[in-house]
Amino acid sequence: AAGVIQSPRHLIKEKRETATLKCYPIPRHDTVYWYQQGPGQDPQFLISFYEKMQSDKGSIPDRFSAQQFSDYHSELNMSSLELGDSALYFCASSLSGQFYGYTFGSGTRLTVV
Amino acid sequence: DAKTTQPPSMDCAEGRAANLPCNHSTISGNEYVYWYRQIHSQGPQYIIHGLKNNETNEMASLIITEDRKSSTLILPHATLRDTAVYYCIVRIDYKLSFGAGTTVTVRA
Repeated sequence: AAGVIQSPRHLIKEKRETATLKCYPIPRHDTVYWYQQGPGQDPQFLISFYEKMQSDKGSIPDRFSAQQFSDYHSELNMSSLELGDSALYFCASSLSGQFYGYTFGSGTRLTVV
Repeated sequence: DAKTTQPPSMDCAEGRAANLPCNHSTISGNEYVYWYRQIHSQGPQYIIHGLKNNETNEMASLIITEDRKSSTLILPHATLRDTAVYYCIVRIDYKLSFGAGTTVTVRA
């Protein structure tokens, strides 16, 4: 079965650079969620989109922005990167109206040096 | 979302049942209980969810107390591949909020 695809799997950036993470949800899923997981921490919700509109917002820094496109894929844009942004970034997708769990991707490991 | 409390860690022998408790004493009537697990650095994996009744699927069973203030996830025959962090989450909307889970180590 198709899963949630995230790219790239690994990314190394320098401080103050920008990064773009991509997420391709499961076909027909209309909702995308982004999570950040720092070293030794639990996943923290950043932002979600339903039908290309932002549906919820968590602890996402102002330096980060995200959007969902017409094909339902989503991109997380991160600017002025800081060392503390080094983390695993997970994307998950679900079909609205179905209350069982999301499906998570394998994540993008971002390292800021 | 209602706050959950889980033990920080537990060990389990391979082939035995693993019973993972979760307290959610402030849960409201329409909040679901969800269980996810995360195997080292992989994306969290959905296990099971329930509202009031006990639930069972191919991965696990979920037992929810009658007052809904606590629940137990049961892995019937733990294998080494079940070693992971297990998260108990209660939610009313579509956002999942992960708290501190239970690190389960299955030993041969």
